[in-house]
Amino acid sequence: NAGVTQTPKFQVLKTGQSMTLQCAQDMNHNSMYWYRQDPGMGLRLIYYSASEGTTDKGEVPNGYNVSRLNKREFSLRLESAAPSQTSVYFCASSEEARGYEQYFGPGTRLTVT
Amino acid sequence: DAKTTQPPSMDCAEGRAANLPCNHSTISGNEYVYWYRQIHSQGPQYIIHGLKNNETNEMASLIITEDRKSSTLILPHATLRDTAVYYCIARGSGGGADGLTFGKGTHLIIQP
Repeated sequence: NAGVTQTPKFQVLKTGQSMTLQCAQDMNHNSMYWYRQDPGMGLRLIYYSASEGTTDKGEVPNGYNVSRLNKREFSLRLESAAPSQTSVYFCASSEEARGYEQYFGPGTRLTVT
Repeated sequence: DAKTTQPPSMDCAEGRAANLPCNHSTISGNEYVYWYRQIHSQGPQYIIHGLKNNETNEMASLIITEDRKSSTLILPHATLRDTAVYYCIARGSGGGADGLTFGKGTHLIIQP
């Protein structure tokens, strides 16, 4: 099992450009999450999806959109990137009954200039 | 989720037990204590969790005080690979899809 995979690993964008971060899991988990981590800080929840077809805002949703494409895939889109969105983005998944035990991907390091 | 307080950094000698404290004085009766760690900018990794009783698994032990206002994560024989940031999280019951609230954690450095 690959667990949680994320693409790309690194990305540099100019202000105003758009991009989509991809996440996939092969553990048949219902729940998926997107977090961001700024330097020296803990992770903050952007959006989550309790099950296929549902999404909900987390702590810092502004400037982002998400799509739960199917049970395996959960994407994060930046429509108009800003320097404040420079961060490391982590995707995670969990079983619904064990929501505390989240499995994280390796992260996408995004720089917006 | 209850607020948790952890020291920003700790050192421990390789082979010794690493004891990481966490204060959660406002924890409510249905909130569990969870521990994660993050090794060098990788994604966080779940370690252990508990409600009232002490817990042990293959990675660590969790000691929760009787009043539940604080807890200690114990890595019994620390190795260099245990150098990481350790996060203590207080959260309601384990089910559901709510996200986790990560503070700044404790940067544990294992010294050779």
